[in-house]
Amino acid sequence: DIQMTQSPSSLSASVGDRVTITCRASQTISTYLNWYQQKPGKAPKLLIYAASSLQGGVPSRFSGSGSGTDFTLTISSLQPEDFATYYCQQSYTPPPYTFGQGTKLEIK
Amino acid sequence: EVQLVESGGGLVQPGGSLRLSCAASGFTFSSYAMHWVRQAPGKGLEYVSAISPDGVSKYHANSVKGRFTISRDNSKNTLYLQMGSLTTEDTAVYYCARRLGPTHPFDYWGQGTLVTVAS
Repeated sequence: DIQMTQSPSSLSASVGDRVTITCRASQTISTYLNWYQQKPGKAPKLLIYAASSLQGGVPSRFSGSGSGTDFTLTISSLQPEDFATYYCQQSYTPPPYTFGQGTKLEIK
Repeated sequence: EVQLVESGGGLVQPGGSLRLSCAASGFTFSSYAMHWVRQAPGKGLEYVSAISPDGVSKYHANSVKGRFTISRDNSKNTLYLQMGSLTTEDTAVYYCARRLGPTHPFDYWGQGTLVTVAS
């Protein structure tokens, strides 16, 4: 199975900061990489798919990049509603479509 | 409007069984692969099971293989997860999610249903 490693596992930042979260796959996955945001008690919400494509309705301050094994999620200017946990997921066939362990983004 | 609504969760004793359902609406259910993902309390997301649009191809994670069975009824627009030989390690919120195909993401998720395995 492909292992996904996210870093950092937690992060403190302030409103207006630029934040970057990284995700590394244990083998190449091309651009089959998705990013989700999850708030407490809620289902994950798709932000970025295919490594860099912004899901409809997601603010443009979110962006993704990378290919192969190394990927990043960047939030250009943190807003209060962005404080949540972020997960990467590889969707390179076949399953399992494993997730990273998550990055909890907290208010400084 | 796309909707995925899970049901069937609850409290069950170790060794017991439970069947989860995921009712889909607002899209052509039979065109989508469907998936189950779970999240233990305070933990991350764990990929559990997948089923092809026609129900022929199935996948189960090693952690549930031989105990859980994914299925679907396209005439009822419903996804199922039959869970057996439950242990406390299976305690989690179970989410269903859809995916159109290999180049598409998991774009809609249900709200989740909580399964608690305890005596």
